[in-house]
Amino acid sequence: DIQMTQSPSPLSASVGDRVTITCRASQNINNYLNWYQQKPGKAPKLLIYGASSLQRGVLSRFSGNGSGTDFTLTIDSLQPEDFATYYCQQTYSASRTFGQGTEVEVK
Amino acid sequence: VQLQQSGPGLVKPSETLSLACSVSGGRVSGGNYYWSWIRQPPGKPLEWVGYISSSGSTSYNPSLKSRVSISAHTPENQFSLNVNFMTAADTAVYYCARNWVDETSDYMDVWGEGTKVTVSS
Repeated sequence: DIQMTQSPSPLSASVGDRVTITCRASQNINNYLNWYQQKPGKAPKLLIYGASSLQRGVLSRFSGNGSGTDFTLTIDSLQPEDFATYYCQQTYSASRTFGQGTEVEVK
Repeated sequence: VQLQQSGPGLVKPSETLSLACSVSGGRVSGGNYYWSWIRQPPGKPLEWVGYISSSGSTSYNPSLKSRVSISAHTPENQFSLNVNFMTAADTAVYYCARNWVDETSDYMDVWGEGTKVTVSS
């Protein structure tokens, strides 16, 4: 299995901050990396696919970068509704895996 | 496309869990899709369970492969998850999801609302 490791966890931030979450794969996954946002009691929501493509309807303050084994999700000017848990997921392998999640919490 | 989940919220130890996911606004057969199941134990991360493709091929999480099966039911436009020999460790919220796949992209863009499943006698 490909292991996905996220950091930091948790991430303490304030409204207006620029925050970056990192995801590292245990082997090369090219750009088969997606980011999801999950709020308590809700299903995950796709934010970024293919490492850097913004899902339709997702605001442009979310951006993704990276290729190979190292990836980042950046939120420019954090808004109150962005406090949530964020997961990366690799789809390079037929056996898909998620990272352990990064909770973005109020500082 | 919308996904509507159905199934029990309580299962006894050693029994089989059966969940269904009804697809509206699309078809389980045809198209570039994998119809997927994901679960999330209380307070824990998401765990990919497996998928069935529109052509009928399947892939399962190696840690669950011996107990899990996913099927598609074209006339009802549904897909389903069976997990055998349930234990307390299988207590989780189970989600179904549509996974788009093409030459350059592979992602889950539509999710069901989740079914909370508790394993208890």
